[in-house]
Amino acid sequence: QKEVEQDPGPLSVPEGAIVSLNCTYSNSAFQYFMWYRQYSRKGPELLMYTYSSGNKEDGRFTAQVDKSSKYISLFIRDSQPSDSATYLCAMSFTGGGNKLTFGTGTQLKVEL
Amino acid sequence: NAGVTQTPKFQVLKTGQSMTLQCAQDMNHNSMYWYRQDPGMGLRLIYYSASEGTTDKGEVPNGYNVSRLNKREFSLRLESAAPSQTSVYFCASSGLAGGLDTQYFGPGTRLTVL
Repeated sequence: QKEVEQDPGPLSVPEGAIVSLNCTYSNSAFQYFMWYRQYSRKGPELLMYTYSSGNKEDGRFTAQVDKSSKYISLFIRDSQPSDSATYLCAMSFTGGGNKLTFGTGTQLKVEL
Repeated sequence: NAGVTQTPKFQVLKTGQSMTLQCAQDMNHNSMYWYRQDPGMGLRLIYYSASEGTTDKGEVPNGYNVSRLNKREFSLRLESAAPSQTSVYFCASSGLAGGLDTQYFGPGTRLTVL
C-alpha cells in the first residue's frame, strides 16, 4: 500500500464547475500538506499548503485537511480552462528541511 | 532570477551508455533534490542534498550517483543506463517561504533509454 493515495483521473468538468480533488494517507505523523499544480511538460509548482488540520482559502482554491480521517482535499470554485493541469498532493513530517511524499497526481481538464 | 534550470531538456541513450544531468539554482537555497516522475508512480525522490558537501539517498537511488558541486549546482549521473531509467527527471531546490520550506522545481529532463 502506498503511503499517499490519489485518484489519477482523468477528471473532465465544464467551465464554472466546482472541482474536488482528494488524497488519503496512511502515516499519521504527516504534519504539512501541500498541493502542487503541474502543467503539461512543466515542473510542479506549489499552489497551497496547510499545517495540521483545518481549512485554508486562497481565491478560488480551498484546501482542507482532516487528520482524523487521514484525508485531504483541494476544492476549485468557478473552474477555468487555465486550471487544466495535473494536481499533486504532497506531505511532509516537518516544515523545514523536508522530504516530501507525493501522491501520483490527478489530471484535470476544464472544458469550455 | 532563472530559478531552477536543468540541462539537457531531452536525451536519448542506448543501454549501457552514461550521462550526467545538470541542475543549477540561483535562489541561494541550501537544499537540493533529484526526482523521477513515471506514469502511475508520481514523483519519487532519488537523492537529496541538505547542504553543500552532503548527499543522501532517497527512495529510488539504485543506478544513480550525485554530486553537489557547490551551493548552486547538483548533478545526477547515470553510469550505465537501463531501459527502466526511462523517465522524466526533475531537480528541485528548497528555501523558506511563508513559514514553509518550499520546493521549487526545474522544467525537467525527458530521458529515453533504448
